[in-house]
Amino acid sequence: TQLLEQSPQFLSIQEGENLTVYCNSSSVFSSLQWYRQEPGEGPVLLVTVVTGGEVKKLKRLTFQFGDARKDSSLHITAAQPGDTGLYLCAGEASNTGKLIFGQGTTLQVKP
Amino acid sequence: EAQVTQNPRYLITVTGKKLTVTCSQNMNHEYMSWYRQDPGLGLRQIYYSMNVEVTDKGDVPEGYKVSRKEKRNFPLILESPSPNQTSLYFCASTISNPSYNEQFFGPGTRLTVL
Repeated sequence: TQLLEQSPQFLSIQEGENLTVYCNSSSVFSSLQWYRQEPGEGPVLLVTVVTGGEVKKLKRLTFQFGDARKDSSLHITAAQPGDTGLYLCAGEASNTGKLIFGQGTTLQVKP
Repeated sequence: EAQVTQNPRYLITVTGKKLTVTCSQNMNHEYMSWYRQDPGLGLRQIYYSMNVEVTDKGDVPEGYKVSRKEKRNFPLILESPSPNQTSLYFCASTISNPSYNEQFFGPGTRLTVL
């Protein structure tokens, strides 16, 4: 069974601080996706990384896929209160469409 | 507007009373899924469908049924709900890109079984 371990599960920081969220697995994924979920809504896709070592940037968010395609990280620079939410990583098994989700990281950014 | 819709958004019911949660997408996607989300467990796939009349079990299918009689609709059926099925449910519709598949999620259905 493929598993994705996401850490930390909870993070409360002050506005302006940097943070990193990690997703780790012993399994190889064909792609790794990051979602953000607001209360009362479904997850919304932020980015997909496909190639080992790939780095993608979305404004203050930097996403990296591990060289072996088993792990990924999300780094937020100078966090803002608007970044508050639940962040989920999800690995796709062999381009099948099936996603394995991590447990999620609840981020709170205090003004 | 491209979207996935679910109904109802909130439901409180009692043990054993059959219920159906509807899901509809207007993007002509072939692949659809149902997930449940529980604290500390992330999203777990219940059932999925790769096309009309083609459905298969996900990771946590016990106590659930689905059907796919037409491409746009993928209802989730709980024949005899139990309290351990209290959860937040999401329907998702998937589009295939050359390198990866992208999922679009509905707004969720919060179910409480008393």
